[in-house]
Amino acid sequence: KNEVEQSPQNLTAQEGEFITINCSYSVGISALHWLQQHPGGGIVSLFMLSSGKKKHGRLIATINIQEKHSSLHITASHPRDSAVYICAVETNTGNQFYFGTGTSLTVIP
Amino acid sequence: DAGVIQSPRHEVTEMGQEVTLRCKPISGHNSLFWYRQTMMRGLELLIYFNNNVPIDDSGMPEDRFSAKMPNASFSTLKIQPSEPRDSAVYFCASSRPTGTGFLHFGNGTRLTVT
Repeated sequence: KNEVEQSPQNLTAQEGEFITINCSYSVGISALHWLQQHPGGGIVSLFMLSSGKKKHGRLIATINIQEKHSSLHITASHPRDSAVYICAVETNTGNQFYFGTGTSLTVIP
Repeated sequence: DAGVIQSPRHEVTEMGQEVTLRCKPISGHNSLFWYRQTMMRGLELLIYFNNNVPIDDSGMPEDRFSAKMPNASFSTLKIQPSEPRDSAVYFCASSRPTGTGFLHFGNGTRLTVT
């Protein structure tokens, strides 16, 4: 059983579409991270959440602690958003980390 | 700020050789993480340090892997002896105390063991 489940695994969208990537987890957490891995391999941390909602540009991340679920939304998607998006959680006991397997997003012009 | 600096960017070595990967965290960050990424297993946390002390090394694959953080500005991940199945991209990341700050990743070291 995976502690972190992401969906979908692969996603293809037309430029301009609204995109949602989901993350569910089964452990108690102190924080949830959304990471973006570029086609070149570099990894960037997009958000760190422990409650509520955060917005940065066209990216919005929400978390529902009771439901153990987080979503990453991309508004007005663009080809440069094409990347792998990874959900990661830090547990609130023992500071362990668990990772989703990632969502590969391709935005077509 | 230069960000997290990893070296080398690429390493090709023969099976049985010792490999040492290096990481310089962002100044002021007191948590440092080593990750491995493979096609089969995705991104995995190998070990992390708080204030130079290893906190959780349960992700370290086996005794051939060891990590040290002799001071706040430097860490190494060593594989001895290396095996072809160790081929992967190894990332280092740093942050303020866990649960409070973004993870800042280095560019990774692509290791190929032949």
